[in-house]
Amino acid sequence: DQQVKQNSPSLSVQEGRISILNCDYTNSMFDYFLWYKKYPAEGPTFLISISSIKDKNEDGRFTVFLNKSAKHLSLHIVPSQPGDSAVYFCAGRMDSSYKLIFGSGTRLLVRP
Amino acid sequence: DAGITQSPRHKVTETGTPVTLRCHQTENHRYMYWYRQDPGHGLRLIHYSYGVKDTDKGEVSDGYSVSRSKTEDFLLTLESATSSQTSVYFCAISGLAGDLTEQFFGPGTRLTVL
Repeated sequence: DQQVKQNSPSLSVQEGRISILNCDYTNSMFDYFLWYKKYPAEGPTFLISISSIKDKNEDGRFTVFLNKSAKHLSLHIVPSQPGDSAVYFCAGRMDSSYKLIFGSGTRLLVRP
Repeated sequence: DAGITQSPRHKVTETGTPVTLRCHQTENHRYMYWYRQDPGHGLRLIHYSYGVKDTDKGEVSDGYSVSRSKTEDFLLTLESATSSQTSVYFCAISGLAGDLTEQFFGPGTRLTVL
């Protein structure tokens, strides 16, 4: 039972355009959602998070949107840069606990 | 840089042999975690620790054990390695100043079981 789903295994966008990565979840007990970025042969690095009581969080070129009624979140990257090419994981944090449940990841390729 | 290292970074072993992976942190984080990453599955929690000698199971704990005798070290042991345990293993830490939202990951250990 996948509690966090990233249904697009890959995404390719042109440099300068918007990248939109999507994530769906089934567990209503998540109180935070996080996005991690992973380059090959490195560990994941934290990118941005959003509380379940918010609907938007922005940090520079990165914005995360949360639609609780649809149990859906998305990460927008504007403008996309070649250095953004990586695998992106979304994760839900169980309410008031330490456990993160990860999606399977989306590989983003930003073409120059 | 969260000050987290993993050793070894790469290991090839044979089925049935014991294997121990080490995670070391220098940041005094209370919580430590072991994940495995496999294609199509993302990162899955194996075991975690919420203090010295305090550990608990994650979602894929069968075939693995852990120990934490010091704050800075968290060991993952495969008692008898199987080919299904071929994976990339990541250690993570969290809990500095009570913030459990973000986890910081180590560089990973690529384990191949032949």
